[in-house]
Amino acid sequence: EIVLTQSPGTLSLSPGERATLSCRASQSVSSNYLAWYQQKPGQAPRLLIYGASTRATGIPDRFSGSGSGTDFTLTISRLEPEDFAVFYCQQYGSSPFTFGPGTKVDIK
Amino acid sequence: DVQILESGGSLVQPGGSLRLSCAASGFTFSCCGMTWVRQAPGKGPEWVSSISDSGANTYYAESVKGRFTISRDNSKNTLYLQMHSLRAEDTALYYCARHYAMDVWGQGTTVTVS
Repeated sequence: EIVLTQSPGTLSLSPGERATLSCRASQSVSSNYLAWYQQKPGQAPRLLIYGASTRATGIPDRFSGSGSGTDFTLTISRLEPEDFAVFYCQQYGSSPFTFGPGTKVDIK
Repeated sequence: DVQILESGGSLVQPGGSLRLSCAASGFTFSCCGMTWVRQAPGKGPEWVSSISDSGANTYYAESVKGRFTISRDNSKNTLYLQMHSLRAEDTALYYCARHYAMDVWGQGTTVTVS
């Protein structure tokens, strides 16, 4: 089973700042099948990025994903007020398709 | 409009069984792999199971393997999750979602094992 580790656990930033979130896998993610989700309280997760770097439909271009193998990054170039939430990475390259524990981005 | 609607969640005793359903609309259901994800209160999402577009391939989390069965009926645009030998730790909001990288989610159905 691929274990995903996300860092930091919490990121405290101000609107307009850049957010950099990390997701590290215990072994290489097949075909870079790594997705990022945003979740707000009381809502289902929302897909942001799939295939490590492809933005999902309707996702603003301030969200970008990068990385390969075992190290992946989600970057939010300039935080908007609506971006503050919990972010999860998930690998779907090999079963079981595991989630990471999440990074909370909150307002400083 | 692309929509997913889960149903079937309820309160069940430990050791009991339950079948969840997920009705899809607004897209060609048979095109897509489908996934069940659950989320316990205050916890992160946990992937439970996925099934390929034809239903030929199924995948399970270790925590549910041998107890849960995922299936689909493409003629009815419906995904199922049959759950047996339920435990307290299965208590969660169960989501159905499209694809393995999940781009469309339902609102979830609540399973409480107590």
